[in-house]
Amino acid sequence: ETGVTQTPRHLVMGMTNKKSLKCEQHLGHNAMYWYKQSAKKPLELMFVYNFKEQTENNSVPSRFSPECPNSSHLFLHLHTLQPEDSALYLCASSQDMAGANGYTFGSGTRLTVV
Amino acid sequence: AQSVSQHNHHVILSEAASLELGCNYSYGGTVNLFWYVQYPGQHLQLLLKYFSGDPLVKGIKGFEAEFIKSKFSFNLRKPSVQWSDTAEYFCAVRSYGQNFVFGPGTRLSVLP
Repeated sequence: ETGVTQTPRHLVMGMTNKKSLKCEQHLGHNAMYWYKQSAKKPLELMFVYNFKEQTENNSVPSRFSPECPNSSHLFLHLHTLQPEDSALYLCASSQDMAGANGYTFGSGTRLTVV
Repeated sequence: AQSVSQHNHHVILSEAASLELGCNYSYGGTVNLFWYVQYPGQHLQLLLKYFSGDPLVKGIKGFEAEFIKSKFSFNLRKPSVQWSDTAEYFCAVRSYGQNFVFGPGTRLSVLP
């Protein structure tokens, strides 16, 4: 366990479904991130939250909607996704935005859109 | 904008062979440099990092990396690989005031 817990580990959803991914950390970190990991592509930063406030939306389509109710929890709400959205979605956290000690990653949610 | 390249997509080695994985970045200002490893089915783990000081950085599991500022490089090395080193390796760069930028990854397969 890394200290960053993601649920569910696997998710299969239809294009008309609505689902949510959850990320939880109890490391006392103040910054949290969503990344998308697709085969043969670099990790893509999606969203950044610092002290619960969204500081970056990296041109992510509106069918992905993040929510950060507190510094320990981060959600990614999904609706009307496309098959090309199938990927591993990674949550990460860091002590602060400087990321001096690097990021701590969760194990990810493997999403398949059918 | 910062970009990170990793020279090899897939490297195949026999056990006990020496390893060097290339990483180059584009932005020449102050940077922090990281190598992460992702074992099959597992989360990304920090192998080592460079912030300042000695450009030769030692990490976990016998890995080391050398920062060569003039070449914008931060190559990862290990003198003798083991089958358990089979994984995907990601270089990441953080420029001052910016988010991390990850390279595309290099898959390492070590044959027993």
